[in-house]
Amino acid sequence: ILNVEQSPQSLHVQEGDSTNFTCSFPSSNFYALHWYRWETAKSPEALFVMTLNGDEKKKGRISATLNTKEGYSYLYIKGSQPEDSATYLCAFSNLGGKLIFGQGTELSVKP
Amino acid sequence: GAGVSQSPRYKVTKRGQDVALRCDPISGHVSLYWYRQALGQGPEFLTYFNYEAQQDKSGLPNDRFSAERPEGSISTLTIQRTEQRDSAMYRCASSSAMAGGSNQPQHFGDGTRLSIL
Repeated sequence: ILNVEQSPQSLHVQEGDSTNFTCSFPSSNFYALHWYRWETAKSPEALFVMTLNGDEKKKGRISATLNTKEGYSYLYIKGSQPEDSATYLCAFSNLGGKLIFGQGTELSVKP
Repeated sequence: GAGVSQSPRYKVTKRGQDVALRCDPISGHVSLYWYRQALGQGPEFLTYFNYEAQQDKSGLPNDRFSAERPEGSISTLTIQRTEQRDSAMYRCASSSAMAGGSNQPQHFGDGTRLSIL
């Protein structure tokens, strides 16, 4: 069974705080790790796709790292803003192509 | 259109009826995916297509669920003899790359909210 775990389940921070969350995934038959940002009542929006061990990607204040040998990825948000409030989903894929999603980390940033 | 389009946005129907959910992917996108998403959960894989070929339907819950993409563009997810447990958000996504060995993101539609009474 392919299982993707995200932690924490929810996170409440103050505006300006930096934060990070974790995605754990199977390290065998790994092909890619996806991060999506999902606001309720909207569709998930792609943030990053990473494939190589040691990959680091950055988009503005958001960055992500990947460790395929131990099966985890971190998502970092520097200087959180209220508009960062959303659920952050990670998803694992092997060569088969389908994405297996975690349950997400719900981030709430208070002004 | 610019994004993945799904219709209808909302569907309310009585138990036992058949429903057909439509997905219009981003023009030119090769692969198309169907997911089901329960409240507060991440999307759960149902099936995917490369062009018109259904590559993996291992996520379809039972034989009441089927999907097709006959011309490699628009796809329809059909649920026959609906049951209350089928109520969920059904999302479609498409990608510019072939599924399987792809490092391209998936682009999601806004989903169809299905409610079975």
